[in-house]
Amino acid sequence: KAGVTQTPRYLIKTRGQQVTLSCSPISGHRSVSWYQQTPGQGLQFLFEYFSETQRNKGNFPGRFSGRQFSNSRSEMNVSTLELGDSALYLCASSLDGLLNTEAFFGQGTRLTVV
Amino acid sequence: GQQLNQSPQSMFIQEGEDVSMNCTSSSIFNTWLWYKQDPGEGPVLLIALYKAGELTSNGRLTAQFGITRKDSFLNISASIPSDVGIYFCAGQGRNTDKLIFGTGTRLQVFP
Repeated sequence: KAGVTQTPRYLIKTRGQQVTLSCSPISGHRSVSWYQQTPGQGLQFLFEYFSETQRNKGNFPGRFSGRQFSNSRSEMNVSTLELGDSALYLCASSLDGLLNTEAFFGQGTRLTVV
Repeated sequence: GQQLNQSPQSMFIQEGEDVSMNCTSSSIFNTWLWYKQDPGEGPVLLIALYKAGELTSNGRLTAQFGITRKDSFLNISASIPSDVGIYFCAGQGRNTDKLIFGTGTRLQVFP
């Protein structure tokens, strides 16, 4: 059974540009969550999607958005990139995201904004 | 964002030693998860705990769900070099699907 797949693994963008990251969850998993990881702030929750709907949202500005498709694959978009957006972006999939469900992470996308 | 208090922040130990780390929260959790992250990779799930007082082992790793539901512990016995990495706890509370992560414990093992 394939794990969580994130693409691309690495990305370099310049300030002001926008970027789209992709996450394919484990087959059968319907919940996808996105996290931003930086050395100073640790793992910060961005949002969670379930059945193509955003179900939970963290405290990030509107420049960060996402969506989920009918096959549960999810994309995350960041517009008007800032230097501070440089981070490892991780997605995690779980069966349904409800209580007592384990989350499995992808390898992440390392975004560098220059 | 909200985070759990995880300690210690870092540990430098000799191969063969045992390791203990813990996470505490001001609120009650229904689930505790422990992850290990290698450099440049995503966190890998080690152990999941679902009941207060539960003690679960995975090889040399043992984790416990605190009785108060506000803390959890991870122990690694007889550490080896490949145990090096960052260990994160994560909790899931009542009435929420969101996982809250600890600040991480960086483990370094010397031969």
